[in-house]
Amino acid sequence: GAGVSQSPRYKVAKRGQDVALRCDPISGHVSLFWYQQALGQGPEFLTYFQNEAQLDKSGLPSDRFFAERPEGSVSTLKIQRTQQEDSAVYLCASSLRGPPYEQYFGPGTRLTVT
Amino acid sequence: AQSVTQLDSQVPVFEEAPVELRCNYSSSVSVYLFWYVQYPNQGLQLLLKYLSGSTLVESINGFEAEFNKSQTSFHLRKPSVHISDTAEYFCAALLGGTSYGKLTFGQGTILTVHP
Repeated sequence: GAGVSQSPRYKVAKRGQDVALRCDPISGHVSLFWYQQALGQGPEFLTYFQNEAQLDKSGLPSDRFFAERPEGSVSTLKIQRTQQEDSAVYLCASSLRGPPYEQYFGPGTRLTVT
Repeated sequence: AQSVTQLDSQVPVFEEAPVELRCNYSSSVSVYLFWYVQYPNQGLQLLLKYLSGSTLVESINGFEAEFNKSQTSFHLRKPSVHISDTAEYFCAALLGGTSYGKLTFGQGTILTVHP
């Protein structure tokens, strides 16, 4: 079956622009996570959804970051007024339920802010 | 703060040699542990996991990891590596009884297998 998909795969934004990153989780997966992976680092947690409810957004680095999952399936991570430090790979993962169910990761969106 | 530490950023080895990628975690409560592999331009793939029970877990492609509670470690080993094992490996943990699965990752270890 289809895995987690993300679009676009690559995004170049000028500093100050807004961007929207999309995640299509595996159908039927309740849990959805966003992670940020800076160059040479491991992924870091940004936010978590259970169905349409955003239960944890403690990892969002600033109020310029906003995530939603209005119908409990597709999710969008929006970054307003992008800064150079936002350059990273943004990973989406979904799982059938909570732990210990496996998280399946998408290929990521590489965001470069110039 | 709870954390996961991978002690080696890069590990070069020759084909058919054994390898160990080290991982330590800090947590005083229950923990689930994972190793993920990331091939170039691909997403993270689960390699193996420790949830409970036997402390030695194995993957389908010959990797194994042992949960050591006293040393708070979960090192990844393979007795004989192949060129195709070249990738970046991430150790990750669900720390402190997180109820919904927020993973804490190590910094990653790049394994390069030379012919």
